[in-house]
Amino acid sequence: EVQLVESGGGMVKPGGSIRLSCAASGFTFTNAWMSWVRQAPGKGLEWVGRIKSNTDGGTADYTAPVKGRFIISRDDSKNTLYLQMNSLEIEDTAVYYCAVLSSGWRWGQGTLVTVSS
Amino acid sequence: DIQMAQSPSTLSASVGDRVTLTCRASQSINSWLAWYQQKPGKAPKLLIYKASNLDSGVPSRFSGSGSGTEFTLTISSLQPDDFATYYCQQYNSFLYTFGQGTKLEIK
Repeated sequence: EVQLVESGGGMVKPGGSIRLSCAASGFTFTNAWMSWVRQAPGKGLEWVGRIKSNTDGGTADYTAPVKGRFIISRDDSKNTLYLQMNSLEIEDTAVYYCAVLSSGWRWGQGTLVTVSS
Repeated sequence: DIQMAQSPSTLSASVGDRVTLTCRASQSINSWLAWYQQKPGKAPKLLIYKASNLDSGVPSRFSGSGSGTEFTLTISSLQPDDFATYYCQQYNSFLYTFGQGTKLEIK
């Protein structure tokens, strides 16, 4: 069974940084293209970005609002996905989910990032 | 980016009703569409993948259909647990995108 467990959320000031982690199990992480999705309070869902498997190049793509500020990376030896969030803005306040396509999309339970002064 | 539009935004219905939610894509996404149910404070729950495939453990009163640009989610007989917000999501091409959601309310 696919399991994704996010961690690392918390409160951070505007302009600050935070790193989220997603521990994966129940599937072959090395072969998986992994994604981050977010949901601001009371709002809809937004795909943040995805990273390809290292065998497929290991490159990451991002939605426009986070390009140049967020970095997705992976450690296949630890079955862990990361989201490094820099130059944070109030609008980045959201629950952040990691996700993987395994038949359908499988999501973690999410971790809340609050950007506030 | 592919835009996804859901209708209606809000739907009021009663227990036992048959309801249909619609999702339209701005260009063809073949059958690469998922439907989710979300309740307050919870992660989205996958209901349907690849337009018409019921996810494991999802009640058979849920069904999905469509291909190309027009998709529907049908709940054949609403149950009290079904009142929630429903999202569609395309994964034909990156950037994967979601509809704005349909809130299903008790009439």
